[in-house]
Amino acid sequence: AQKVTQAQTEISVVEKEDVTLDCVYETRDTTYYLFWYKQPPSGELVFLIRRNSFDEQNEISGRYSWNFQKSTSSFNFTITASQVVDSAVYFCAPPLTGANSKLTFGKGITLSVRP
Amino acid sequence: DGGITQSPKYLFRKEGQNVTLSCEQNLNHDAMYWYRQDPGQGLRLIYYSQIVNDFQKGDIAEGYSVSREKKESFPLTVTSAQKNPTAFYLCASSIPRERDTQYFGPGTRLTVL
Repeated sequence: AQKVTQAQTEISVVEKEDVTLDCVYETRDTTYYLFWYKQPPSGELVFLIRRNSFDEQNEISGRYSWNFQKSTSSFNFTITASQVVDSAVYFCAPPLTGANSKLTFGKGITLSVRP
Repeated sequence: DGGITQSPKYLFRKEGQNVTLSCEQNLNHDAMYWYRQDPGQGLRLIYYSQIVNDFQKGDIAEGYSVSREKKESFPLTVTSAQKNPTAFYLCASSIPRERDTQYFGPGTRLTVL
């Protein structure tokens, strides 16, 4: 079964600090997709990234970066120079495969960025 | 602009009343989904539909019903049989060519008094 572990439940940082949100996943499939979503206080889930299991290159988008390590089954998310607007709940979804196309979400990681 | 709309944003109902939550998308996505989120919890799948006139139960379908008569619309009815209907409801849609990446609407917060 597909599963993720987000061991951190709540993180609090001061603005401008870098912060890394951990995600460890489990799957027996060789081809799969990984996702991160953000849920700000407004409630809407915002899609951040989709990563194919064959693409292990790290990805950077502005202050956001993702480190995909297939060898350790991790897909960690780093926010550089955090801002108050980054305060949200962040979800790493269990891997999607051809046999399982239903996203599931755990409780996520609540990030609070203090001014 | 393409997107997913849910209405209303806040909804109040008396216990025992059925209520229908609206979800419309103009992204031309084939699949649509309904999730429920309780405070401090993750999302749980209620129903999903991969094509028009077809839908499947998710993990917590009891007390809910849906229809998919049009590609762009996937309304959710919360019936009086749902024991704890107060929650935040999120609708999403996806398309296979984007590897089923789901895009979400703004959500409806339902409170049953």
